[in-house]
Amino acid sequence: KAGVTQTPRYLIKTRGQQVTLSCSPISGHRSVSWYQQTPGQGLQFLFEYFSETQRNKGNFPGRFSGRQFSNSRSEMNVSTLELGDSALYLCASSLAGASYEQYFGPGTRLTVT
Amino acid sequence: GQQVMQIPQYQHVQEGEDFTTYCNSSTTLSNIQWYKQRPGGHPVFLIQLVKSGEVKKQKRLTFQFGEAKKNSSLHITATQTTDVGTYFCVKSSGDKLTFGTGTRLAVRP
Repeated sequence: KAGVTQTPRYLIKTRGQQVTLSCSPISGHRSVSWYQQTPGQGLQFLFEYFSETQRNKGNFPGRFSGRQFSNSRSEMNVSTLELGDSALYLCASSLAGASYEQYFGPGTRLTVT
Repeated sequence: GQQVMQIPQYQHVQEGEDFTTYCNSSTTLSNIQWYKQRPGGHPVFLIQLVKSGEVKKQKRLTFQFGEAKKNSSLHITATQTTDVGTYFCVKSSGDKLTFGTGTRLAVRP
């Protein structure tokens, strides 16, 4: 079966702009989680969606938001970009949530200049 | 802050040597997952441990869950260059995964 796909793979934005990242989970998976990975902070949980509902959110400012559509595809949005938002953004899908094996996508590399 | 610590942070071994990474939590874990991330890649699921004292093996990899369910370890026997990458232990609480700090393994051929 097809794996998790993320678009775009690379993105360069300017401070103050906003960005939308997309994640298509594995068919049949209803849970999608988002993570930010940086050299300094490691892998940090952003939020998790299940059946279009956000079930959990990490410690990130309100500039970070997300949503999930009825077909389980998910998007995350970052508004008013800051230099510190430069990171690899990973999404992961699973059958039903954190207790299940997570399948990660290749990530979107965001650079904020 | 990070609630799951891993040691060592980095280890460089000669091919054929063994390698162990340890994962420690300040709270009791309901389960622990392990992932591997190759350089430039994304995390890939290795295993999940659920029971106190559980030991699972995958070829040269041995995973252990502590009796008190507060720690876990991953041991690789006779490392190979294909083992290069960062190994993460991950705890789940509710619907949130918390990644450990990771141990980066480098292997000299």
